[in-house]
Amino acid sequence: AQSVTQLDSQVPVFEEAPVELRCNYSSSVSVYLFWYVQYPNQGLQLLLKYLSGSTLVKGINGFEAEFNKSQTSFHLRKPSVHISDTAEYFCAVMGYGQNFVFGPGTRLSVLP
Amino acid sequence: NAGVTQTPKFRVLKTGQSMTLLCAQDMNHEYMYWYRQDPGMGLRLIHYSVGEGTTAKGEVPDGYNVSRLKKQNFLLGLESAAPSQTSVYFCASSYVRGGDEQYFGPGTRLTVT
Repeated sequence: AQSVTQLDSQVPVFEEAPVELRCNYSSSVSVYLFWYVQYPNQGLQLLLKYLSGSTLVKGINGFEAEFNKSQTSFHLRKPSVHISDTAEYFCAVMGYGQNFVFGPGTRLSVLP
Repeated sequence: NAGVTQTPKFRVLKTGQSMTLLCAQDMNHEYMYWYRQDPGMGLRLIHYSVGEGTTAKGEVPDGYNVSRLKKQNFLLGLESAAPSQTSVYFCASSYVRGGDEQYFGPGTRLTVT
């Protein structure tokens, strides 16, 4: 079975500052890792995913994430945030042939 | 290409009433899923389907039933609604089950009074 931890439930940050949203997972099998974003009153949209290969993954809107197998982490980063990045961010893990397991989410608030 | 659509967008039910949520996808995906989203708990899988005519239980299936009579549609039913089922419900679909992203609908906000 898999589980996902997102330690920060809320992250406030000023516009143009860097941000890191943390995600740790546990699994007894190899996993695929995903970050989704949810804007207010909308469904979830894929930001980026790690399936294999390079551990640094680049996604949409300038976000990137790094897979660290030894630390079982998949932290999301952006070097300079905008007001429009205000949203809730979900980390998800999937074992091959299994279902998604989502973390509880991190609410990112970008302040002017 | 509409992607994943959900009907209705909002609904208020009284305890004990029944209703059906409809999910439709036009991407020819084999796999479809129903999740509920509650504050601080992320998304939890209710039921899923690996193809037309098949359904399976997820993490929180109690109080819900599903049907997949057509490949493009996945219905979620509440036979006797309870206040604990107040939530936002999301449908998703994917081409394969492992290693592929899921595409989400816009959600249905259900309130049970």
